[in-house]
Amino acid sequence: EPEVTQTPSHQVTQMGQEVILRCVPISNHLYFYWYRQILGQKVEFLVSFYNNEISEKSEIFDDQFSVERPDGSNFTLKIRSTKLEDSAMYFCASRNTGISSEAFFGQGTRLTVV
Amino acid sequence: GIQVEQSPPDLILQEGANSTLRCNFSDSVNNLQWFHQNPWGQLINLFYIPSGTKQNGRLSATTVATERYSLLYISSSQTTDSGVYFCAVGPWGYGGATNKLIFGTGTLLAVQP
Repeated sequence: EPEVTQTPSHQVTQMGQEVILRCVPISNHLYFYWYRQILGQKVEFLVSFYNNEISEKSEIFDDQFSVERPDGSNFTLKIRSTKLEDSAMYFCASRNTGISSEAFFGQGTRLTVV
Repeated sequence: GIQVEQSPPDLILQEGANSTLRCNFSDSVNNLQWFHQNPWGQLINLFYIPSGTKQNGRLSATTVATERYSLLYISSSQTTDSGVYFCAVGPWGYGGATNKLIFGTGTLLAVQP
């Protein structure tokens, strides 16, 4: 069964450093997403990406965040200057177009900022 | 925006017991999914159920879209069922609507041996 793959599974970084989280969505999907979950809280939407551009972003997704689809298979989330409060689980998801389309989530990347 | 509320927030069961988790949402949707978040933090797809009823082993789910709620049933619970259960809804497809999944607040389930 096709799946969304995220790397790395866990990343530790120093405050102020840049991090790039990587995702390989399901190959024929056209909508891509990043979500964030701070420990003990609910899963929050960050950004959606369609047709090579951001289609929607939340207020959390400020200038320190960016997304990119550098080639036909990868989808990345970059955090330019990490803060302690960026420590969270980050999930990538993808889905096909159409009203009745299920979203599939990756296993997550646990980011720890120290 | 759409509000998604889940109840109960916490649930403790003895192994073998049955339970019902509820998800209420405040507006029309055409996607509803249930997830189980395991102790390692992974989100496991349980059901894609915008309407109707589905069953998968000891788990089943029912969504009544016209009344804006969904139920997840867990029968003969096992310790491996422990974790957080999330429902998430997506109003995508309705004109001008957002295309994101909106997660509920979750139900923390603990199954004791």
